[in-house]
Amino acid sequence: DQQVKQNSPSLSVQEGRISILNCDYTNSMFDYFLWYKKYPAEGPTFLISISSIKDKNEDGRFTVFLNKSAKHLSLHIVPSQPGDSAVYFCAASDTGTASKLTFGTGTRLQVTL
Amino acid sequence: KAGVTQTPRYLIKTRGQQVTLSCSPISGHRSVSWYQQTPGQGLQFLFEYFSETQRNKGNFPGRFSGRQFSNSRSEMNVSTLELGDSALYLCASNSGSQNIQYFGAGTRLSVL
Repeated sequence: DQQVKQNSPSLSVQEGRISILNCDYTNSMFDYFLWYKKYPAEGPTFLISISSIKDKNEDGRFTVFLNKSAKHLSLHIVPSQPGDSAVYFCAASDTGTASKLTFGTGTRLQVTL
Repeated sequence: KAGVTQTPRYLIKTRGQQVTLSCSPISGHRSVSWYQQTPGQGLQFLFEYFSETQRNKGNFPGRFSGRQFSNSRSEMNVSTLELGDSALYLCASNSGSQNIQYFGAGTRLSVL
């Protein structure tokens, strides 16, 4: 039972363009959502998060959008840079068990020159 | 501030053996969580310790156990290793009252 889904295993984007990574969830108890970036042989690095009381959060080149009615969130990276090439994981938690993150399967982003 | 430190980075064991992995959280963080990453199942939550007590638990068999010490350092133990336990084991810490987990680099366990 995959409660957090990332349906695109991979995405290729040209440098300077926008990268859009998508994530869907099924558990309506989730009220906090996070994006992590992972390089090979390293642990996930926190990028950006959003609470369910908001529909948008920005941090520099990264913006996360949340559509609660559709149970969908997306990460926008503008402009994309070669250093952004990595695997991106979407994760979710609920207030009652904040430390227990449920992860999606990841999307491999490749930013080409 | 030092990040989350996991030791060892790599480990090779044989079936039936047991293994202990160690995690030192970010200074001041009292919550330590453990995750397993495999190609087939992705990243899955094992358990969380806070102030030396297990606070949350995932759906793993009893062969997987953990503990936390008074200095917040944590250990994870897997007994009677199976081939399917081969995975990257990740430790994460937070202050105990936030959702954001900060991860270590992981311990790569290979069971032969």
